[in-house]
Amino acid sequence: DAGVIQSPRHEVTEMGQEVTLRCKPISGHNSLFWYRQTMMRGLELLIYFNNNVPIDDSGMPEDRFSAKMPNASFSTLKIQPSEPRDSAVYFCASSFGRGAFFGQGTRLTVV
Amino acid sequence: DQQVKQNSPSLSVQEGRISILNCDYTNSMFDYFLWYKKYPAEGPTFLISISSIKDKNEDGRFTVFLNKSAKHLSLHIVPSQPGDSAVYFCAASPSQHTNAGKSTFGDGTTLTVKP
Repeated sequence: DAGVIQSPRHEVTEMGQEVTLRCKPISGHNSLFWYRQTMMRGLELLIYFNNNVPIDDSGMPEDRFSAKMPNASFSTLKIQPSEPRDSAVYFCASSFGRGAFFGQGTRLTVV
Repeated sequence: DQQVKQNSPSLSVQEGRISILNCDYTNSMFDYFLWYKKYPAEGPTFLISISSIKDKNEDGRFTVFLNKSAKHLSLHIVPSQPGDSAVYFCAASPSQHTNAGKSTFGDGTTLTVKP
């Protein structure tokens, strides 16, 4: 199994630009999570899906953030417009009970 | 308010000795607890978990202890190996059955195991 696959691994963009992060969960997992890791706030849950349906998006910081899961094998996290304070490592994780399996993360830098 | 706290940012242990990582939580609704290990430039890796109906769960060199009354859990690694050097995150979830991935994480403890 290839594990959770995220792309890109690194993204550098200018303030105001749209950024799209992509995730392919582990096949057969019914839950998908987007986390963000920063020095100030640690690992925080942004949103999670169960069976492709968004269940809890209370962690999404602002309306500039949106996430979709059009099918069981793909999800996106979009930031539009991006701001320097969005710079962080964004992790996607999938789960089928027990613990979650994380991708390698996307390091986003907004300049 | 931080609901999951790992008060020790770092821990250094000699190879072969026991490593004990601690975690405290404040939310009584948490009933499923997990430990993750994270290497640089990688995502966290699930290590071991424990349900609130238990007070101990063991998997090889790793044992997690839960003290519900004290709202405290700990991870014991014995014997410690240099490859165990990583950041360890404690996480808590309201229920194993409603997606343990929906967890609240502590800030992590950096473990260094010296040869």
